[in-house]
Amino acid sequence: SAVISQKPSRDICQRGTSLTIQCQVDSQVTMMFWYRQQPGQSLTLIATANQGSEATYESGFVIDKFPISRPNLTFSTLTVSNMSPEDSSIYLCSVEEGWGGNEQFFGPGTRLTVL
Amino acid sequence: KQEVTQIPAALSVPEGENLVLNCSFTDSAIYNLQWFRQDPGKGLTSLLLIQSSQREQTSGRLNASLDKSSGRSTLYIAASQPGDSATYLCAVYTGGGNKLTFGTGTQLKVEL
Repeated sequence: SAVISQKPSRDICQRGTSLTIQCQVDSQVTMMFWYRQQPGQSLTLIATANQGSEATYESGFVIDKFPISRPNLTFSTLTVSNMSPEDSSIYLCSVEEGWGGNEQFFGPGTRLTVL
Repeated sequence: KQEVTQIPAALSVPEGENLVLNCSFTDSAIYNLQWFRQDPGKGLTSLLLIQSSQREQTSGRLNASLDKSSGRSTLYIAASQPGDSATYLCAVYTGGGNKLTFGTGTQLKVEL
């Protein structure tokens, strides 16, 4: 299974600033996903990032707030822009091995606190 | 819209007990169902993946079943241990966007 790392593991940020989260995979994967887990809640998909194309955002999430880069098959970044306390969450990246309907593996997450 | 529900929301059992966690989903047109474990403040660890054509999967003390037509899955944990304490999440994979829909989770505590 893919091994996924994220940086930073946690951060405390001030309102109005931006944070970029990195996700690195030890193998080439086609599809990468970014999720948000708000305190006490389950996971919500933010967007799907495929290499070579624009990210696809889920309802309620927009590119201006959560810009995503996917420069190659092993790396992606998610930026949380103009942060507010409501953005305090765990942000997780995941990858899907195979194509369609296959197992997903998750990174360790980035715990973000916005003051 | 797919909705996934897990019952119970929380469970506390003594060590050694066998237990069952439940997951239900509203749209039976799924490709697969995956069970995850999440420790506090951490990422998700994949436990078991059941394809839509399968009825069950086993890994060590874990057994997951799938009844696609009724929209249900169970995760059976045998001889529970304190190290099993975590939140267990089920997620279903549906087409049309290649995405997982997660359940609400069951927070399990296994006590000595």
